[in-house]
Amino acid sequence: GDSVTQMEGPVTLSEEAFLTINCTYTATGYPSLFWYVQYPGEGLQLLLKATKADDKGSNKGFEATYRKETTSFHLEKGSVQVSDSAVYFCALMTGGSYIPTFGRGTSLIVHP
Amino acid sequence: DSGVTQTPKHLITATGQRVTLRCSPRSGDLSVYWYQQSLDQGLQFLIQYYNGEERAKGNILERFSAQQFPDLHSELNLSSLELGDSALYFCASSVDQVGAGRDTQYFGPGTRLTVL
Repeated sequence: GDSVTQMEGPVTLSEEAFLTINCTYTATGYPSLFWYVQYPGEGLQLLLKATKADDKGSNKGFEATYRKETTSFHLEKGSVQVSDSAVYFCALMTGGSYIPTFGRGTSLIVHP
Repeated sequence: DSGVTQTPKHLITATGQRVTLRCSPRSGDLSVYWYQQSLDQGLQFLIQYYNGEERAKGNILERFSAQQFPDLHSELNLSSLELGDSALYFCASSVDQVGAGRDTQYFGPGTRLTVL
């Protein structure tokens, strides 16, 4: 079946540091890829997405590129802020199975 | 605000009891998903409905059931509750008008269930 593997957290950074959260996947067919973010006490919300190979999703300074050759969708941000502290989930959806697949989430803690 | 509403926000009950969680999707969204989130298991997909019909099942226990009504709201029924069922339960919805199953999901704020 489909699966998503994310780096384990927590990831602890100082404000203005560079962020990378790794995400790799296995899927049958050609999935759509997503990053969701969950702030404390809230539900998940979409951060960015990409629907085909080489697409780059971007939002609020975060970016991720759909790499079919390495089956990866790593999340990056050039300069993190304290307000970025949250749990980040990588996810995929393929049209055939209709079963959404989420990674276990990576907690990001940003210190001032 | 995602536009997805869930009630109740908190629920405290005893083992062996039955509860119903309710979800109203965003206006126009045809798909509803249910998830369970706990510290040890992470985010677990339970079940999906599309336009009133069950479309996909994940790690849903037999004690749990769900349905989607003609007005597209959905209910998740949890019965014979156990301590281990204590978790956050999220509902999400997506437009999915062509039925491809690839659309962005919009999550509700969740229902926190505590089983004592």
